[in-house]
Amino acid sequence: KNEVEQSPQNLTAQEGEFITINCSYSVGISALHWLQQHPGGGIVSLFMLSSGKKKHGRLIATINIQEKHSSLHITASHPRDSAVYICAPPISGSARQLTFGSGTQLTVLP
Amino acid sequence: DGGITQSPKYLFRKEGQNVTLSCEQNLNHDAMYWYRQDPGQGLRLIYYSQIVNDFQKGDIAEGYSVSREKKESFPLTVTSAQKNPTAFYLCASSFLFGEETQYFGPGTRLLVL
Repeated sequence: KNEVEQSPQNLTAQEGEFITINCSYSVGISALHWLQQHPGGGIVSLFMLSSGKKKHGRLIATINIQEKHSSLHITASHPRDSAVYICAPPISGSARQLTFGSGTQLTVLP
Repeated sequence: DGGITQSPKYLFRKEGQNVTLSCEQNLNHDAMYWYRQDPGQGLRLIYYSQIVNDFQKGDIAEGYSVSREKKESFPLTVTSAQKNPTAFYLCASSFLFGEETQYFGPGTRLLVL
């Protein structure tokens, strides 16, 4: 089973700050998901990446497969970015079954 | 609009009662999943199904049951054997081949009276 560690668990930032959330996992994988969970509970998939870097608007995700590490960056953070961000690599041997980090609670203050 | 829906949003269960959570998707996805989320913990897989009339247990299947009679529907029953059912339940779906993204429903919050 893939063990997932996210850091930090909680993060408070001022609007406009650059945010970094880190994810480490124990078992080699081919791809990893980043999810966003809003206060109401709904979850949205942000990225699925297998190498290098992906960018979507102000969000950037990077992954280093060899080091078993991924990061999610938010540039020019805004209060609407406040949410829980979850790293989800697949369970070893099954690309479609995910295991989930406990999440990073991000609060961006105006 | 294509999507995945869950109902109800809130559900109350009495002691000894079975309750069923609904999950429907019109994305033509083959696979469907049920997850449980407890405060401060990551999502945990309860059951998943890759095809109609077939499903497999996840990490925490005890006290739960599912059915997959139609491709679009994957209801979850929380039985009286589940001693600590209070949690947030999320349903998800995905294709089996090609795109790997899982799409999540809005969730059902189950509370025990």
